This record gives sequence, C-alpha cells and structure tokens, in this order.
Amino acid sequence: DQQVKQNSPSLSVQEGRISILNCDYTNSMFDYFLWYKKYPAEGPTFLISISSIKDKNEDGRFTVFLNKSAKHLSLHIVPSQPGDSAVYFCAASAGGTGANSKLTFGKGITLSVRP
Amino acid sequence: GAGVSQSPSNKVTEKGKDVELRCDPISGHTALYWYRQRLGQGLEFLIYFQGNSAPDKSGLPSDRFSAERTGESVSTLTIQRTQQEDSAVYLCASSFLPGTEAFFGQGTRLTVV
Repeated sequence: DQQVKQNSPSLSVQEGRISILNCDYTNSMFDYFLWYKKYPAEGPTFLISISSIKDKNEDGRFTVFLNKSAKHLSLHIVPSQPGDSAVYFCAASAGGTGANSKLTFGKGITLSVRP
Repeated sequence: GAGVSQSPSNKVTEKGKDVELRCDPISGHTALYWYRQRLGQGLEFLIYFQGNSAPDKSGLPSDRFSAERTGESVSTLTIQRTQQEDSAVYLCASSFLPGTEAFFGQGTRLTVV
C-alpha cells in the first residue's frame, strides 16, 4: 500500500523555466512533508520541508506547497538549472514516536533540465 | 566526520553467503533508518529504530534480514544466505528527532553473484 505517491516517473524542462514536481499522500496522520534530491551513486540529500500548519515554504529557488484537503504537495523549482537534474523523492511522517513517525518515501521522479 | 558513515561502500558476495553492513549515524540522533534501492526502483523501507522503542521491522522482506542498533549509536544490517535479488544499494539515515529531516549515508552497494 503506497502511502506516498509520485505518479509521474520523469519530467523534462528547459533551463530557466519552472519545474513542478507533484506528490500525493493517503495517510491523514501525516503532518510533516519533505523533499529529497538524489544524484547517482550518492545518498539522498534533504532539500526542503513543510509542516501541516503551513501551506507554503520557500527557500531560494525552491518552494513547497501543501494542500491538506487534497492530500497533495508540490515542489516548484524556478528558475530550473541543469544542475537540478536528479531524482526527487517526496517523503512524509506523522508526529509522535509510533510507526507513522518514520519517513515514508515515494518512488521518486527523475527531473531532467535541458540546457 | 559529522555525517552518516556506512561501510563497506561496495560489497560483492557469493550467493548463499552472509553479509553484514554497518552504519554509524550522526552523534545524538535518536532515529535510524535502513532503506534499500534496487536498480531503477525507489527507496524501499526496511527497518526503523527510534530511541528505546521496539524497532519497526515491518519493511524487512524476509527472515533472512535482521538489524541491530546499540543504544543510539552504530547499527548493523545482516543478510543471511544472500540471494541475487538482494543486490541493491543499502542506505542508512539518521535524524535527531523521529519524523524530521533524516541525513543519509552514501550507501553500500551490494552485489550478489
């Protein structure tokens, strides 16, 4: 049962344009959401996060939007750069210390930014 | 170093042999995860340690897989009687608090021949 879904396996955008990466979740207990970036042969690196008490969090070129009613979040990268080409994973967790507190990841989306 | 350290970085083993993978988390991090990524696949959750709580082993694919963690320090993932389908990159991550930003190691690439 996939609780975090990234339904598009890949995305290709032109350098300088906006990249929009989508993520959906099913577990209503999730209240913290994260995006990770992964280059080949490296471990994932944390990019940006958002708590369920907010609907937007911005960090430089990266903005994450959260729509709790739709159980949907998205990562916007603008402007996109060739160095952003990587696999992006969406992750979610719930509060407390139970099983839901672990980070649950989506399958990832491969972003390619064309020069 | 200050990051999560995994060893070995690469491991080639014969089918049927046992392997042990090691993870040194960031000091003071209470939560520790093991994931694996098979070729062309996403991150597959294996096991989650959180402080003194019983580990969440719900992701372990079979009883050939086990993991231990000593207090809030080193963890080892053991795979007994390895099979070719165990070939993957095994990733360890740790976080200061449960459910918050986890920091990943570089992974151990396991190849079973």
